Amino acid sequence: GAGVSQTPSNKVTEKGKYVELRCDPISGHTALYWYRQSLGQGPEFLIYFQGTGAADDSGLPNDRFFAVRPEGSVSTLKIQRTERGDSAVYLCASSHHETREVHEQYFGPGTRLTVT
Amino acid sequence: GEDVEQSLFLSVREGDSSVINCTYTDSSSTYLYWYKQEPGAGLQLLTYIFSNMDMKQDQRLTVLLNKKDKHLSLRIADTQTGDSAIYFCALDMGRRALTFGSGTRLQVQP
Repeated sequence: GAGVSQTPSNKVTEKGKYVELRCDPISGHTALYWYRQSLGQGPEFLIYFQGTGAADDSGLPNDRFFAVRPEGSVSTLKIQRTERGDSAVYLCASSHHETREVHEQYFGPGTRLTVT
Repeated sequence: GEDVEQSLFLSVREGDSSVINCTYTDSSSTYLYWYKQEPGAGLQLLTYIFSNMDMKQDQRLTVLLNKKDKHLSLRIADTQTGDSAIYFCALDMGRRALTFGSGTRLQVQP
């Protein structure tokens, strides 16, 4: 009965490097969301998957950001050529909204990314 | 973000009621949500209200929605020290992704 898990919990990388952040959603949840939370702000939407496909990627800030969910479960957020402005907590959430109208999203603890 | 605004900070005494306010610009949301974030913990859904309702009560929590003024509030009765956290309102704006406010830090003094 595990909740949403994210790894790593902390990631420090140098400017220009490539990073991957992983999200394991709640088993059976078909929808998966990535958000980014900067210090003192609320989460900002990045991308939403329904199954294996990205149903809405309108929140990705630029083409350095990419996410996949090849088997409809685990998702990986990939950031190329990291910049200091990418430093934030990256949150993943999942929901099972096919049978429920209200979109109750369950959030993971996040990955804190620091770009030096 | 700019679409959803909240005051930054609220301080109350233990046992008093807390009222956290949220204003928004977009009126297309089906559901409006309140989330709680404690240090080191993930966002936790507290409650939500359907857009055609004016009020929803859930134990110590009361949500009020004024669609005309685009104003959402969360009232916590008999506030406890364990209620100290950051509270976010969030709207779906007619889509799956949520748009969050910047959060209100609630400090409960003993």
